[in-house]
Amino acid sequence: TQLLEQSPQFLSIQEGENLTVYCNSSSVFSSLQWYRQEPGEGPVLLVTVVTGGEVKKLKRLTFQFGDARKDSSLHITAAQPGDTGLYLCAGALYNFNKFYFGSGTKLNVKP
Amino acid sequence: DAGVIQSPRHEVTEMGQEVTLRCKPISGHDYLFWYRQTMMRGLELLIYFNNNVPIDDSGMPEDRFSAKMPNASFSTLKIQPSEPRDSAVYFCASSFQAGGPGVDTQYFGPGTRLTVL
Repeated sequence: TQLLEQSPQFLSIQEGENLTVYCNSSSVFSSLQWYRQEPGEGPVLLVTVVTGGEVKKLKRLTFQFGDARKDSSLHITAAQPGDTGLYLCAGALYNFNKFYFGSGTKLNVKP
Repeated sequence: DAGVIQSPRHEVTEMGQEVTLRCKPISGHDYLFWYRQTMMRGLELLIYFNNNVPIDDSGMPEDRFSAKMPNASFSTLKIQPSEPRDSAVYFCASSFQAGGPGVDTQYFGPGTRLTVL
């Protein structure tokens, strides 16, 4: 069982659609990060959130950290084929000494 | 900057053999992380170093795995003896100390794809 569970596991949508990916845990995290990974490459950081209730926007991507700091969501507006990839949330526990990645959401955006 | 450099990019070996994976972090970075990624278990943190000192090795699966960081510009992950279940992509990442893991930006290398037959 993963400490950070992501849903859905797989998502296949048409270009232009909106989508939301969720990252949930029963643990309270000091911070939450979202990464995107493309095939054959390492993950690349998209955003870091550290305050409960925090919302950050990155162009068409909106990230939210839950008020209780146990969950996070990633919303993509008008998805494009370039958004295709594996989306990973990651969180730090215990004053940032423990660090875990989520189970991942594989997104495919069809033209 | 060349980014995080890992070698080899691909390794195929037979069960029982020793495997050594290498990593050169980004110059000036204080943290170095080793991860393993599989379809079944996702991306797992194996061990991380701060200023060449191991901070958390609780993710190292068993005594067959060991990691060293003799200086700020080089680290190795060794598996001895290797087993088929060790087959995975192994990533190295580094970051510049600001608030620690989960706050700093980790920069990942391209990974080493290990296949143990």
